[in-house]
Order: sequence, then structure tokens, then C-alpha cells
Amino acid sequence: EAGVTQFPSHSVIEKGQTVTLRCDPISGHDNLYWYRRVMGKEIKFLLHFVKESKQDESGMPNNRFLAERTGGTYSTLKVQPAELEDSGVYFCASSQGTGPFYEQYFGPGTRLTVT
Amino acid sequence: AQSVTQPDIHITVSEGASLELRCNYSYGATPYLFWYVQSPGQGLQLLLKYFSGDTLVQGIKGFEAEFKRSQSSFNLRKPSVHWSDAAEYFCAVGQAGGFKTIFGAGTRLFVKA
Repeated sequence: EAGVTQFPSHSVIEKGQTVTLRCDPISGHDNLYWYRRVMGKEIKFLLHFVKESKQDESGMPNNRFLAERTGGTYSTLKVQPAELEDSGVYFCASSQGTGPFYEQYFGPGTRLTVT
Repeated sequence: AQSVTQPDIHITVSEGASLELRCNYSYGATPYLFWYVQSPGQGLQLLLKYFSGDTLVQGIKGFEAEFKRSQSSFNLRKPSVHWSDAAEYFCAVGQAGGFKTIFGAGTRLFVKA
């Protein structure tokens, strides 16, 4: 069974540009999460999808970030326009159900560098 | 507010030596506690979790952790470290009935020969 995959693994963009990160969850997992780790600090929750619906996007930093999950399969996270403080590692995770009893499986992350 | 503190940014141990990684949490109710490991180029992998019951939990790769409510701690231990254990370790807390996972800042483990 394939795990959670993320693309690209690395992205280097200039301030003001747009970047789109993609996450493919484990097949059959309705729950999809985005997290971010900035500057070696803690990993912070961004948002949670159940199928194509956003259950909670309280962790999204601002309106420059847009997450979508059309069709309830893969998800994209777009940053437009990117700022220097957006640099970090963006993790995606998926789970079969909602809540701590359902293990979240994490992808390897996308390292975003904004210069 | 819920929070997780991992006091050690990095730790170096000799191969074969014992290991303890510290984790303290702040949470109003009974916490759901996790330890994850991230090896280079890999995603986070769940090592073990505590929900209730026996406060000493066993995980994969020979790791164990002990929940101490009085100290708000959930320290990770391994009796004998292998070179392949070099990685970054994250302690996390989950909410009952919720889905957010709150992570600590991580502890990077270096293993010397």
C-alpha cells in the first residue's frame, strides 16, 4: 500500500511568486491534514479536510494560503503571493477517521524556501 | 492552551547506551499522547501512543514511554540505542473528540560510535 506522497519535495521561489503544493493521501482515507514546521520549531496544524469539506482551517496563517481538495482525493495548498516567513516544511497527513484513535500517516513533507 | 515542550533541542548518545527524551505537556483534560520519529527524507512515523490504562506503553523499534500525570510528562526511553535510531523525535498531544495534534519542537538524536 502506497503511503502519503507529497510533491514537490523541495521548492525554491522568490518573494511574491506563487507556489502550489500537492498531497496524495493513502487511498480510502477521507481525512486529510496539512501541517507546517517553520525554522525548526514545532509542527503546527494548518487545516483538516473530511473528503472535500474543510472541517477546520483555524491554523491557516492568512488569506494568502488556499487549500483545496476537489473530489475528496488529493489536496493542494497554494501560497499566493509567497512571503519570506512562509519558508518551512509543509507536511500532509491522512487518516481513516477523525480523532486521536485514528492514526495519522504523514508524508515526507515539502520544503519551501522563499528568497 | 494546549502545548507540548521538549526541553532538549538535540541529544548525543553512544551506541548501546540508554536513551531518555523528555516531554512535558499542558492540557486541561486527560491527554492523548504520542511520540513520532522522523528519519531523514521520511515522513513522521508513529512510535507509540497513550490513551488510558497502563502508564507504561510499548512501541515499535524497542521504544517505550511512561505517562506521569503528576509531572505532566511523557518521556520516551530506549534501553540500548542503535545507530539507526539517529533521527528527530516529536512528542505530541491530541484532543479527545478532536483531530488537531499539537506537536513539540522536536529533539534531534545523534548517535556516536
